[in-house]
Amino acid sequence: DVKVTQSSRYLVKRTGEKVFLECVQDMDHENMFWYRQDPGLGLRLIYFSYDVKMKEKGDIPEGYSVSREKKERFSLILESASTNQTSMYLCASRSHRVTGYTFGSGTRLTVV
Amino acid sequence: RKEVEQDPGPFNVPEGATVAFNCTYSNSASQSFFWYRQDCRKEPKLLMSVYSSGNEDGRFTAQLNRASQYISLLIRDSKLSDSATYLCVVNVVGNQFYFGTGTSLTVIP
Repeated sequence: DVKVTQSSRYLVKRTGEKVFLECVQDMDHENMFWYRQDPGLGLRLIYFSYDVKMKEKGDIPEGYSVSREKKERFSLILESASTNQTSMYLCASRSHRVTGYTFGSGTRLTVV
Repeated sequence: RKEVEQDPGPFNVPEGATVAFNCTYSNSASQSFFWYRQDCRKEPKLLMSVYSSGNEDGRFTAQLNRASQYISLLIRDSKLSDSATYLCVVNVVGNQFYFGTGTSLTVIP
């Protein structure tokens, strides 16, 4: 089975801190994604990447950046965390050949 | 207008009941359709793809109506373990995926 691993299940950070969320997948998928999920708003796409060093903005990229130096790893960076970035963050990957996503188990980030 | 809309529920049904969820989408060029299941505080997991001719997987049946731009999920003989949130997902093209906000189902003993 494809496995998508997110480095932390729960994180608590202070306002203004730089935060790194790491995601690793083990099935050589080309495409990787970062979403945030909030009650009543569903999943919203922050950034995605379709190849190493390639990145595309999603629907809500403001306040975030990403890095994809290796195919298996996609990092989400909160440059200066704010309380409105408290959320569940979900990483996902998919192959060009297979249309469905596989999600990581999520990181619940609280910014205080 | 949202790309994908779902009735959030909650749907509370007794064990053994049949329950159906609908999901509408706005882009007529949408190509692929999926239902995901998400348990409380867990990640979404693919339940089933939705094919043009409709498809069935055990107690679950998915239908696509392109003319009216909706997809549906029917669950027969509901089990307690079916309690979850069901997310409708629509793929327009390439990496353009849109998620509904989910429909909450609770199956009651």
